[in-house]
Amino acid sequence: EPEVTQTPSHQVTQMGQEVILRCVPISNHLYFYWYRQILGQKVEFLVSFYNNEISEKSEIFDDQFSVERPDGSNFTLKIRSTKLEDSAMYFCASSGSRQGRGTDTQYFGPGTRLTVL
Amino acid sequence: RKEVEQDPGPFNVPEGATVAFNCTYSNSASQSFFWYRQDCRKEPKLLMSVYSSGNEDGRFTAQLNRASQYISLLIRDSKLSDSATYLCAVNRKAAGNKLTFGGGTRVLVKP
Repeated sequence: EPEVTQTPSHQVTQMGQEVILRCVPISNHLYFYWYRQILGQKVEFLVSFYNNEISEKSEIFDDQFSVERPDGSNFTLKIRSTKLEDSAMYFCASSGSRQGRGTDTQYFGPGTRLTVL
Repeated sequence: RKEVEQDPGPFNVPEGATVAFNCTYSNSASQSFFWYRQDCRKEPKLLMSVYSSGNEDGRFTAQLNRASQYISLLIRDSKLSDSATYLCAVNRKAAGNKLTFGGGTRVLVKP
């Protein structure tokens, strides 16, 4: 069964450093998303991406964040200058096959645990 | 009012019993509804989509009540492996297809 994959599983960084979190969405999906979950809190939407551009972003997704689909398979989230409060689990998700079915059913990757020291 | 609300629980359920819980949503423009299961420190895993007519998948039954703006999940014949946090999520296509999650309902099935 196709699945979303994410690397690394755990990233530790110093405050102020840049991090890039990587995702490989399900291969025939067209819509890509990043969510985050701070320990003990709810899953929060960050950004959605379709047709090589951002379609929606949340208030959390400020200028420190950016997303990119550098090739036909990867989808990345960059945090330019990490803060302590960026420590969280970051989940990538994808949806929407080329056949046009299931655009709204999102499947999640296993997540990257980001720890900012 | 929070956009999506759930009773955090925990719901302590004897093995073999039935448990049901709801999720309310505030935005009447919400279009699609889902139940996800989340185990500790893991990703949300899709349990089922929730259709207007209600739907069933094995021991799990989901209902949607648009008039009262809530969805429900019922688990019959609970197994120890059903212990998890159940996340409700709603979607608005006009909002970039984003999912808005509730805080989750924790279910503990005990022998």
